[in-house]
Amino acid sequence: ETGVTQTPRHLVMGMTNKKSLKCEQHLGHNAMYWYKQSAKKPLELMFVYSLEERVENNSVPSRFSPECPNSSHLFLHLHTLQPEDSALYLCASSQDFDYGYTFGSGTRLTVV
Amino acid sequence: KNEVEQSPQNLTAQEGEFITINCSYSVGISALHWLQQHPGGGIVSLFMLSSGKKKHGRLIATINIQEKHSSLHITASHPRDSAVYICAVSAQGAQKLVFGQGTRLTINP
Repeated sequence: ETGVTQTPRHLVMGMTNKKSLKCEQHLGHNAMYWYKQSAKKPLELMFVYSLEERVENNSVPSRFSPECPNSSHLFLHLHTLQPEDSALYLCASSQDFDYGYTFGSGTRLTVV
Repeated sequence: KNEVEQSPQNLTAQEGEFITINCSYSVGISALHWLQQHPGGGIVSLFMLSSGKKKHGRLIATINIQEKHSSLHITASHPRDSAVYICAVSAQGAQKLVFGQGTRLTINP
């Protein structure tokens, strides 16, 4: 474990389902991120939270809804996803956007 | 053109060979990161550097700020080094990393 824990590791969901991805860090970092990694593409930033406030939404569709209830936890709520949303979703945390980037192991999402 | 370009995209070598992966970027940066992603998907941060050179075991990372270029070297490569190596930069004033497309390294025994 890297210090950033993501659950679940694998998720299969139907297009009408609602599910949530969870990320937890106890590294004392003040920034948390959601990234999406599709096959054969670079990682794409989805959301950035700093001190529990969303500071960036990188043009992500509204069917992805992040939540950061405190500095240690980050959620990604999913609803009415499309098959093309199938990807590896990675959570990361850092200190002050520059230091100590630590990634979770990711959730591999399959939308059927 | 991506802001961060890596080369090569794929690299296959024999165990023991010296490996070099290159990264060029086009923006001003506050730091450059080298990351390793294994087949399971998890990403490990190998280095963060803003100048000069860092070494950790068989891994060496260098950066030339004037040329906007960084290299990751692996000495005495081993099959367990097989992974995707990703270069990422913290752009100045930006609250995020910008990633290269990754280099898939395969070391054959």
